Amino acid sequence: SAVISQKPSRDICQRGTSLTIQCQVDSQVTMMFWYRQQPGQSLTLIATANQGSEATYESGFVIDKFPISRPNLTFSTLTVSNMSPEDSSIYLCSVEVAGKGYTFGSGTRLTVV
Amino acid sequence: GESVGLHLPTLSVQEGDNSIINCAYSNSASDYFIWYKQESGKGPQFIIDIRSNMDKRQGQRVTVLLNKTVKHLSLQIAATQPGDSAVYFCAAVSGNTGKLIFGQGTTLQVKP
Repeated sequence: SAVISQKPSRDICQRGTSLTIQCQVDSQVTMMFWYRQQPGQSLTLIATANQGSEATYESGFVIDKFPISRPNLTFSTLTVSNMSPEDSSIYLCSVEVAGKGYTFGSGTRLTVV
Repeated sequence: GESVGLHLPTLSVQEGDNSIINCAYSNSASDYFIWYKQESGKGPQFIIDIRSNMDKRQGQRVTVLLNKTVKHLSLQIAATQPGDSAVYFCAAVSGNTGKLIFGQGTTLQVKP
C-alpha cells in the first residue's frame, strides 16, 4: 500500500491565522481525501482533492475556510484559514490505491489558542 | 444522508476472550467495508475489509461478517490481547462515490 507523509505532525496556532498541511504520497494515486477528527470523535470527510481541478467539499465545509490544492498525483495541501479554537482537531490525509484500499497518514494535531 | 454507526461506544473484555464489535450502515449502495484500528496519537490502521459479494472474511485472529439484509457488519477478534486495546472504526464506501464514510468508533479495553 501507499506510504503517506504528512507535515506538520502537530502545531499550536494563534486564532485568526492560517495553517497549511502537506500530504506527500510515495506513489501516484487517483483519489486523495482530507478528514477532520475532533477530540474523542470519529473521522469526518472534509473534501476530495481532485488533481487539476477544484476540490469537492462535503456538506458543512467550504473552500474559503479549507482551501485545498492538488497540483499532481502525489501531493496535496489543506489550509485551515482564519482559525478559531473550534478548529482544534486532528487533520488526516487519506489515499485510495486501486485494489489495495484506503491508507491514512498519521495526521496533523492542531491546537488553536 | 448516508450514515455508519456503531452499537457500543466502549467494550471491555478479559484478556484471552473473544471480542465482537458491531456496526450498522444506512446506505444500501455501500459495497465495500473496512475496519480500522486507531491507537492514541496515530492515524487509522487497516485491519480487514470485505466486499458486498461476500458475507465473511477471515484474517489473522480477526473475522468480519457482513449481513446485507439488515445492513450490519461485525468485527470479531479472537483471543484478545492487551495490544488490541484501541478505538475501532467501521467505514463504508459506496461504489458510485468512492468516498469512505466512518462510523462513530468503539473503544476496546482489554483487562489483564
